[in-house]
This record gives sequence, C-alpha cells and structure tokens, in this order.
Amino acid sequence: KQEVTQIPAALSVPEGENLVLNCSFTDSAIYNLQWFRQDPGKGLTSLLLIQSSQREQTSGRLNASLDKSSGRSTLYIAASQPGDSATYLCAVETSGSRLTFGEGTQLTVNP
Amino acid sequence: GAVVSQHPSWVICKSGTSVKIECRSLDFQATTMFWYRQFPKQSLMLMATSNEGSKATYEQGVEKDKFLINHASLTLSTLTVTSAHPEDSSFYICSARDSSQENEKLFFGSGTQLSVL
Repeated sequence: KQEVTQIPAALSVPEGENLVLNCSFTDSAIYNLQWFRQDPGKGLTSLLLIQSSQREQTSGRLNASLDKSSGRSTLYIAASQPGDSATYLCAVETSGSRLTFGEGTQLTVNP
Repeated sequence: GAVVSQHPSWVICKSGTSVKIECRSLDFQATTMFWYRQFPKQSLMLMATSNEGSKATYEQGVEKDKFLINHASLTLSTLTVTSAHPEDSSFYICSARDSSQENEKLFFGSGTQLSVL
C-alpha cells in the first residue's frame, strides 16, 4: 500500500526566505508526482507535475525534484511571499489514476 | 487550463437528509472522475472512482449504498450522500482528467464543505 509522508507538518518563515518542503513515498512504482496548493476551505491548485521519467520541473519561483528510486521529492520555493501561505500537498499517482496524498505542509510566510 | 466545476461549495443539512454534489468538466470530456473526502487536519482520501456509463468503483471501507455515484454523461458526475449523519461532515472534492490527453494532470473542483447537524 502506497504511503506518502510530508515533512515538516508546518513551517513559518519570514518573507523573502527560500524554503524546501519534503515528500516521501513508499512504493516507487508511480506514474507521476504532483504538488498542489490548498487554501483554507478551498479546492486544490496544481502547481507542478513530474512524470516518473523526469527529475524536476520548474514554474516561476517553484522548483520540484523527483528521485523515484529513493522515493523522495522536494518542492523548493524561492523568495517566499505572504501570498504563498497555504497548505502544500504532495500526491503520487499509481495505476488507475489513483492519487495518494500526503497530509500536507502548512506554510506561513510572515511579512 | 481545464476547469472542473463543483457545486454546491458548502451545504448545511439536518441529520437524515440526503445531499447531492455535482462535479462537471467544463471544457473537456472525462470518462472517469474521482471523489475524495478530507476530514479536518487530515489528507485527502480517495472514496470512489466514477466511470461514465457504468458502476462506480469504491475504495475499501466506503459504503456504496450511502455514497451513491452517478456518471451519466462525459461531463457530469454526482455524489449523493444518503441519510447523512454528523460523522459524514467533511470536505468532499472531485477530480477529472481530459480523456483525450495522455499524461495530462488531474484537475480538481473547488470542493464542497458538508456540515450535518
């Protein structure tokens, strides 16, 4: 059974700081890994998707890496802003389009 | 990008009533849609896979007679919580992928917050 773990559970940083969120998964047989952002009481916004054959993806200030063999992914956020405050979820997709989510990292960026 | 519309955004109901949640793919067709549930401070858990024109596939521990899923068209799936009870209070969210696109990411609706009194 696939299990996804995210560390840390919560993170508070001052504005402008670079930060790294971590995600690990137990079964390396994945199709892809996706990072999402969730604002309180809201749906999910897809940030980055890394296919199993890829090692990283970048979008603006965000960079996500994937090491499938070790079952790890990181989300790097550069020059953090208060608007980045949200919960960040990592999810791996396995057969049948099934997504297994981590419990998320709650990020607070203080002005 | 693709848009998945989910309604209602929130609903409050009395115990014993049924609640229907709609999930629509607005600009693409989806033969398969997915329903997730999220309890406070917990992660999203897959409840069921909705298949257009056939029966839904439920995850272990999810009561199919309580959570009725209908996927009658390529752009609409509905989840009905029957005889809702306070323990069913949760955040329900659907997702879908464009059936015509390979390796396309899954898009999520905005979710429905259900509160059962």
